[in-house]
Amino acid sequence: DTGVSQDPRHKITKRGQNVTFRCDPISEHNRLYWYRQTLGQGPEFLTYFQNEAQLEKSRLLSDRFSAERPKGSFSTLEIQRTEQGDSAMYLCASRPLGRVEDKNIQYFGAGTRLSVL
Amino acid sequence: AQSVTQLGSHVSVSEGALVLLRCNYSSSVPPYLFWYVQYPNQGLQLLLKYTSAATLVKGINGFEAEFKKSETSFHLTKPSAHMSDAAEYFCAVSDTTGFQKLVFGTGTRLLVSP
Repeated sequence: DTGVSQDPRHKITKRGQNVTFRCDPISEHNRLYWYRQTLGQGPEFLTYFQNEAQLEKSRLLSDRFSAERPKGSFSTLEIQRTEQGDSAMYLCASRPLGRVEDKNIQYFGAGTRLSVL
Repeated sequence: AQSVTQLGSHVSVSEGALVLLRCNYSSSVPPYLFWYVQYPNQGLQLLLKYTSAATLVKGINGFEAEFKKSETSFHLTKPSAHMSDAAEYFCAVSDTTGFQKLVFGTGTRLLVSP
């Protein structure tokens, strides 16, 4: 169990550019979540995958945001035409499916910090 | 909709003193409740969780929390603060079924002085 891995850890980009983040969940974790954390705030839910299916999206996820999880393994979050308001920490979390003792324990990665100049 | 309110964006204690971080929740259904800790430039680490079993929950690093339904509270305590406890603490709520997204409070920064 190597934990949830996120790449890159930091990303600096210019307004209008596209960026893509990657999340590698814990092996055999079927469920994957993306959250966004702005300065001084708690994380806010963005989207949820169960295997490769994206089952829930927050209203925070505008048309410029897209997330995928091909083959139900790693996930990517892409932001097109970045804006300064997109500057935040993007956190990924995973959890296994079907374990009674799980009780919704989500394991978080260290996050990708995005700065849009 | 569920929500969490954390009273006090900053709490300062002396090393060895009692730590009390407050969390009140709102939920139309019985929830799961969590406390997470975040150290600088790191992700969130689970401290403890309430999942409808015992109302007094013990977690890692000597922390515990008590679920009080009548007060809709889930305050976090530790009898004696250590310098290494300095961090940001988040209370979170989720449904017990469905896709169970976590809804977080705004966090409380714990400062520990020698």
